[in-house]
Amino acid sequence: AQSVTQLDSQVPVFEEAPVELRCNYSSSVSVYLFWYVQYPNQGLQLLLKYLSGSTLVKGINGFEAEFNKSQTSFHLRKPSVHISDTAEYFCAVVAGTASKLTFGTGTRLQVTL
Amino acid sequence: NAGVTQTPKFRILKIGQSMTLQCTQDMNHNYMYWYRQDPGMGLKLIYYSVGAGITDKGEVPNGYNVSRSTTEDFPLRLELAAPSQTSVYFCASRAGTVTYEQYFGPGTRLTVT
Repeated sequence: AQSVTQLDSQVPVFEEAPVELRCNYSSSVSVYLFWYVQYPNQGLQLLLKYLSGSTLVKGINGFEAEFNKSQTSFHLRKPSVHISDTAEYFCAVVAGTASKLTFGTGTRLQVTL
Repeated sequence: NAGVTQTPKFRILKIGQSMTLQCTQDMNHNYMYWYRQDPGMGLKLIYYSVGAGITDKGEVPNGYNVSRSTTEDFPLRLELAAPSQTSVYFCASRAGTVTYEQYFGPGTRLTVT
């Protein structure tokens, strides 16, 4: 069975600073990886995904993530955050031919002036 | 396209009452999912369906039932509401086995008192 670990439950950062949100997964088969964002009182929206190919994937709103198979990681990065990036971010994995997404517990990104 | 819609947005139930959370998608997606989201716990899968007439249990199915009579609709039924079912419920859909990303509805916030 697959699992996802997001070690940081909260990440405070100043506006225009860079940020990295960490995600590690475990699976014995090939994986597909996702980052979702949840703004307050809203549903989840897909930020980016890794299915195959280039290990550096770019998403919406200037975010990018790098798939590292040897470290079983899929960390999310943004070089300069904005106040509007304040939200909860979820890493998720689908392993093999499974129908189901497994989510991490989320990281709350709090951007302040 | 409205995407995934959920009704109601909010609901307060008394212990022991029953209700149905509605979910409809207009993207002709085969796969549909119900999740619950509790603070600090991420999203937990309740039930899912891979097509009309086919449903299966997720991680936390106890206290819930589902049906899938059409491709578009996937209602979630709570038979005897308990305080432990206080949560935010999200419905999601996915096109098929080629694309694994899920599209989420806006959620239903349920309080059981």
